[in-house]
Amino acid sequence: AQSVTQPDIHITVSEGASLELRCNYSYGATPYLFWYVQSPGQGLQLLLKYFSGDTLVQGIKGFEAEFKRSQSSFNLRKPSVHWSDAAEYFCAVGAREYGNKLVFGAGTILRVKS
Amino acid sequence: KAGVTQTPRYLIKTRGQQVTLSCSPISGHRSVSWYQQTPGQGLQFLFEYFSETQRNKGNFPGRFSGRQFSNSRSEMNVSTLELGDSALYLCASSLGDRISYEQYFGPGTRLTVT
Repeated sequence: AQSVTQPDIHITVSEGASLELRCNYSYGATPYLFWYVQSPGQGLQLLLKYFSGDTLVQGIKGFEAEFKRSQSSFNLRKPSVHWSDAAEYFCAVGAREYGNKLVFGAGTILRVKS
Repeated sequence: KAGVTQTPRYLIKTRGQQVTLSCSPISGHRSVSWYQQTPGQGLQFLFEYFSETQRNKGNFPGRFSGRQFSNSRSEMNVSTLELGDSALYLCASSLGDRISYEQYFGPGTRLTVT
């Protein structure tokens, strides 16, 4: 069965500082990995996804993530955080044999200090 | 192109009642998935419908059911409501039933059971 762990429940960074949100997954075969962002009262917006190929993927809003198979990780990074990035971030894993089903991590709430 | 629409946005029901939530996918999308989001359990997959057929089902009791119409609109029903059913219910639409298609989430329906 698939599972996702996001070890950090809350993270606070200063505006302009770099950001890394951690995600570890468990799945036997090649996973499909996603990062979503959710602002208060909103649905989820896809930031980026990894299916295969280049292990460093670029997404929207200046985010990137790196797939590391040896560490079962898919960490999200941003070189310089903006106050508007404050939100909750979810890592998710999917698999071809499960259709569109996504298994989500518990989420990381990002606070940005000005 | 209009996004995913969910109605109603907010709902208050009493224990024992039943409720029906509606999701209108993006035009041309044939897959609709439903998720329950709670502070305690996070985001959990309920079920997925594609071309009016349930393709995947999560680990929820039979009180949770759904259906999809020929125009791809989907409804989910919860019967005999319990306090623990209070949650944000999100639906996501996709072109097809493969994980490689991007899923777009609606804003959700906030259900409160008293």
